[in-house]
Amino acid sequence: DTGVSQNPRHKITKRGQNVTFRCDPISEHNRLYWYRQTLGQGPEFLTYFQNEAQLEKSRLLSDRFSAERPKGSFSTLEIQRTEQGDSAMYLCASSRDFGSTNEKLFFGSGTQLSVL
Amino acid sequence: SQQGEEDPQALSIQEGENATMNCSYKTSINNLQWYRQNSGRGLVHLILIRSNEREKHSGRLRVTLDTSKKSSSLLITASRAADTASYFCATSLAGGTSYGKLTFGQGTILTVHP
Repeated sequence: DTGVSQNPRHKITKRGQNVTFRCDPISEHNRLYWYRQTLGQGPEFLTYFQNEAQLEKSRLLSDRFSAERPKGSFSTLEIQRTEQGDSAMYLCASSRDFGSTNEKLFFGSGTQLSVL
Repeated sequence: SQQGEEDPQALSIQEGENATMNCSYKTSINNLQWYRQNSGRGLVHLILIRSNEREKHSGRLRVTLDTSKKSSSLLITASRAADTASYFCATSLAGGTSYGKLTFGQGTILTVHP
Protein backbone atom coordinates (compact mmCIF):
# COMPACT_ATOMS: atom_id res chain seq x y z
CA ASP A 1 0.00 0.00 0.00
CA THR A 2 1.65 3.21 -1.24
CA GLY A 3 -0.67 5.48 0.69
CA VAL A 4 -2.11 7.31 -2.34
CA SER A 5 -5.85 6.79 -2.41
CA GLN A 6 -8.07 7.19 -5.47
CA ASN A 7 -11.84 7.10 -5.68
CA PRO A 8 -13.81 5.66 -7.27
CA ARG A 9 -11.89 2.60 -8.48
CA HIS A 10 -14.24 2.18 -11.42
CA LYS A 11 -16.60 4.57 -13.17
CA ILE A 12 -18.97 3.75 -15.99
CA THR A 13 -20.70 6.67 -17.62
CA LYS A 14 -22.60 7.54 -20.75
CA ARG A 15 -21.11 9.75 -23.40
CA GLY A 16 -21.81 13.40 -22.69
CA GLN A 17 -21.97 13.04 -18.92
CA ASN A 18 -19.55 14.73 -16.53
CA VAL A 19 -17.37 12.71 -14.17
CA THR A 20 -15.14 13.65 -11.25
CA PHE A 21 -12.34 11.64 -9.70
CA ARG A 22 -10.66 12.22 -6.37
CA CYS A 23 -7.08 11.63 -5.25
CA ASP A 24 -5.75 11.77 -1.71
CA PRO A 25 -1.94 11.87 -1.77
CA ILE A 26 0.45 10.79 0.94
CA SER A 27 0.00 13.47 3.57
CA GLU A 28 3.49 14.96 3.63
CA HIS A 29 3.84 15.03 -0.16
CA ASN A 30 3.54 18.46 -1.69
CA ARG A 31 3.62 17.41 -5.33
CA LEU A 32 0.68 15.68 -6.99
CA TYR A 33 0.49 14.34 -10.53
CA TRP A 34 -2.25 13.05 -12.80
CA TYR A 35 -1.46 10.55 -15.53
CA ARG A 36 -3.65 8.69 -18.01
CA GLN A 37 -3.04 5.15 -19.18
CA THR A 38 -4.78 3.35 -22.03
CA LEU A 39 -4.68 -0.39 -22.54
CA GLY A 40 -1.29 -1.69 -23.56
CA GLN A 41 0.43 1.67 -23.14
CA GLY A 42 2.49 3.37 -20.50
CA PRO A 43 1.08 6.25 -18.48
CA GLU A 44 1.01 9.71 -20.06
CA PHE A 45 1.47 12.87 -18.06
CA LEU A 46 -1.58 15.13 -17.77
CA THR A 47 -0.85 17.75 -15.13
CA TYR A 48 0.85 18.39 -11.81
CA PHE A 49 0.49 20.53 -8.71
CA GLN A 50 2.98 21.84 -6.23
CA ASN A 51 0.88 22.45 -3.15
CA GLU A 52 -2.26 24.17 -4.49
CA ALA A 53 -0.65 25.63 -7.61
CA GLN A 54 -1.16 23.86 -10.92
CA LEU A 55 2.22 24.32 -12.55
CA GLU A 56 1.99 22.46 -15.82
CA LYS A 57 -0.64 20.96 -18.08
CA SER A 58 -0.12 18.60 -20.99
CA ARG A 59 -1.52 19.28 -24.43
CA LEU A 60 -3.46 16.06 -23.83
CA LEU A 61 -5.57 17.96 -21.31
CA SER A 62 -8.31 19.45 -23.45
CA ASP A 63 -10.66 22.20 -22.31
CA ARG A 64 -13.07 19.52 -21.11
CA PHE A 65 -10.60 18.50 -18.41
CA SER A 66 -10.03 20.47 -15.25
CA ALA A 67 -8.04 19.64 -12.17
CA GLU A 68 -7.94 21.31 -8.80
CA ARG A 69 -6.07 20.90 -5.57
CA PRO A 70 -7.67 23.21 -3.03
CA LYS A 71 -5.57 23.85 0.07
CA GLY A 72 -2.82 21.70 -1.33
CA SER A 73 -4.27 18.46 -0.02
CA PHE A 74 -6.56 16.21 -2.08
CA SER A 75 -7.08 16.77 -5.80
CA THR A 76 -10.00 16.33 -8.16
CA LEU A 77 -9.98 15.70 -11.89
CA GLU A 78 -13.19 16.52 -13.73
CA ILE A 79 -14.02 15.58 -17.29
CA GLN A 80 -16.95 17.37 -18.83
CA ARG A 81 -19.01 16.03 -21.74
CA THR A 82 -17.18 12.73 -21.75
CA GLU A 83 -16.30 11.04 -25.03
CA GLN A 84 -15.57 7.40 -25.73
CA GLY A 85 -11.93 8.33 -26.29
CA ASP A 86 -11.72 9.39 -22.64
CA SER A 87 -11.98 5.75 -21.58
CA ALA A 88 -8.76 4.98 -19.75
CA MET A 89 -7.18 4.43 -16.36
CA TYR A 90 -6.58 7.75 -14.59
CA LEU A 91 -3.66 7.51 -12.22
CA CYS A 92 -2.70 9.89 -9.46
CA ALA A 93 0.78 10.04 -8.00
CA SER A 94 2.45 12.08 -5.33
CA SER A 95 5.99 12.88 -4.28
CA ARG A 96 7.86 14.96 -1.78
CA ASP A 97 9.82 17.74 -3.41
CA PHE A 98 13.33 17.18 -2.18
CA GLY A 99 14.54 19.86 -4.56
CA SER A 100 16.63 17.21 -6.24
CA THR A 101 16.54 15.81 -9.72
CA ASN A 102 15.77 12.34 -8.43
CA GLU A 103 12.10 12.56 -7.66
CA LYS A 104 10.25 9.26 -7.57
CA LEU A 105 6.51 8.88 -7.66
CA PHE A 106 4.09 6.99 -5.46
CA PHE A 107 1.04 5.94 -7.44
CA GLY A 108 -2.50 5.21 -6.43
CA SER A 109 -4.42 2.23 -7.83
CA GLY A 110 -6.16 4.42 -10.38
CA THR A 111 -9.72 5.08 -11.50
CA GLN A 112 -10.81 3.04 -14.51
CA LEU A 113 -13.19 5.10 -16.62
CA SER A 114 -15.44 3.49 -19.20
CA VAL A 115 -17.49 5.79 -21.43
CA LEU A 116 -20.34 4.02 -23.19
CA SER B 1 5.29 9.43 -29.52
CA GLN B 2 6.61 8.32 -26.20
CA GLN B 3 10.20 8.86 -25.22
CA GLY B 4 10.88 5.31 -24.14
CA GLU B 5 10.66 2.21 -26.22
CA GLU B 6 10.87 -1.14 -24.49
CA ASP B 7 11.99 -4.47 -25.73
CA PRO B 8 10.68 -7.11 -25.69
CA GLN B 9 6.99 -6.28 -25.52
CA ALA B 10 6.36 -9.60 -23.80
CA LEU B 11 8.63 -12.08 -22.07
CA SER B 12 7.72 -15.54 -20.81
CA ILE B 13 10.14 -17.49 -18.62
CA GLN B 14 10.26 -20.25 -16.04
CA GLU B 15 10.66 -19.62 -12.34
CA GLY B 16 14.31 -19.38 -11.40
CA GLU B 17 15.43 -17.98 -14.75
CA ASN B 18 16.68 -14.45 -15.23
CA ALA B 19 14.62 -11.82 -17.05
CA THR B 20 16.15 -8.96 -19.00
CA MET B 21 14.19 -6.00 -20.31
CA ASN B 22 15.58 -3.16 -22.38
CA CYS B 23 14.58 0.46 -22.75
CA SER B 24 15.68 3.09 -25.23
CA TYR B 25 15.03 6.80 -25.10
CA LYS B 26 15.61 9.79 -27.32
CA THR B 27 16.66 12.88 -25.39
CA SER B 28 18.99 13.83 -22.54
CA ILE B 29 17.76 12.76 -19.13
CA ASN B 30 18.21 13.56 -15.45
CA ASN B 31 17.47 10.02 -14.44
CA LEU B 32 15.79 6.83 -15.58
CA GLN B 33 13.41 4.89 -13.38
CA TRP B 34 11.79 1.48 -13.56
CA TYR B 35 8.28 0.83 -12.32
CA ARG B 36 6.25 -2.32 -11.96
CA GLN B 37 2.50 -2.63 -12.49
CA ASN B 38 0.33 -5.57 -11.59
CA SER B 39 -2.77 -5.99 -13.71
CA GLY B 40 -5.36 -3.29 -13.03
CA ARG B 41 -3.27 -1.65 -10.34
CA GLY B 42 -1.09 1.41 -9.95
CA LEU B 43 2.63 1.53 -10.55
CA VAL B 44 5.25 0.76 -7.94
CA HIS B 45 8.69 2.36 -8.09
CA LEU B 46 11.49 -0.20 -8.30
CA ILE B 47 14.76 1.61 -8.86
CA LEU B 48 16.18 4.93 -10.06
CA ILE B 49 19.50 5.40 -11.83
CA ARG B 50 20.99 8.86 -12.26
CA SER B 51 22.37 10.02 -15.59
CA ASN B 52 25.93 9.93 -14.20
CA GLU B 53 25.60 6.33 -12.97
CA ARG B 54 26.23 3.25 -15.07
CA GLU B 55 24.94 0.44 -12.90
CA LYS B 56 22.81 0.04 -9.83
CA HIS B 57 21.63 -2.91 -7.77
CA SER B 58 18.66 -3.42 -5.49
CA GLY B 59 18.02 -6.93 -4.19
CA ARG B 60 17.41 -9.14 -7.24
CA LEU B 61 17.31 -6.13 -9.56
CA ARG B 62 20.21 -4.84 -11.59
CA VAL B 63 19.87 -1.77 -13.79
CA THR B 64 22.38 -0.47 -16.28
CA LEU B 65 22.41 2.83 -18.10
CA ASP B 66 24.34 3.73 -21.24
CA THR B 67 23.79 7.41 -21.94
CA SER B 68 25.89 7.27 -25.12
CA LYS B 69 23.45 4.75 -26.57
CA LYS B 70 20.47 6.23 -24.73
CA SER B 71 19.50 2.84 -23.41
CA SER B 72 18.94 1.01 -20.16
CA SER B 73 18.35 -2.56 -19.11
CA LEU B 74 16.62 -4.14 -16.14
CA LEU B 75 17.71 -7.58 -15.04
CA ILE B 76 15.64 -9.58 -12.58
CA THR B 77 17.59 -12.55 -11.28
CA ALA B 78 16.13 -15.81 -10.00
CA SER B 79 12.63 -14.85 -11.06
CA ARG B 80 9.55 -15.88 -9.11
CA ALA B 81 5.95 -16.33 -10.16
CA ALA B 82 5.17 -13.22 -8.09
CA ASP B 83 7.35 -11.17 -10.45
CA THR B 84 4.67 -11.56 -13.11
CA ALA B 85 3.69 -7.99 -14.01
CA SER B 86 4.26 -5.22 -16.53
CA TYR B 87 7.52 -3.32 -16.22
CA PHE B 88 7.93 0.26 -17.42
CA CYS B 89 10.93 2.46 -17.82
CA ALA B 90 10.40 6.17 -17.31
CA THR B 91 12.67 9.10 -17.96
CA SER B 92 12.94 12.47 -16.31
CA LEU B 93 14.07 14.90 -18.99
CA ALA B 94 17.12 17.06 -18.48
CA GLY B 95 16.41 20.74 -18.13
CA GLY B 96 12.86 20.23 -16.99
CA THR B 97 11.37 22.03 -14.03
CA SER B 98 9.37 19.11 -12.76
CA TYR B 99 11.46 16.07 -12.15
CA GLY B 100 8.36 14.01 -11.48
CA LYS B 101 7.02 14.67 -14.95
CA LEU B 102 8.02 11.31 -16.33
CA THR B 103 7.83 9.95 -19.84
CA PHE B 104 7.02 6.25 -19.81
CA GLY B 105 7.74 3.51 -22.29
CA GLN B 106 5.11 1.07 -23.50
CA GLY B 107 6.21 -1.57 -21.06
CA THR B 108 7.27 -5.19 -21.07
CA ILE B 109 4.78 -7.81 -19.94
CA LEU B 110 6.68 -10.41 -17.93
CA THR B 111 5.13 -13.79 -17.23
CA VAL B 112 6.95 -16.16 -14.88
CA HIS B 113 5.66 -19.72 -14.95
CA PRO B 114 5.90 -21.75 -11.72
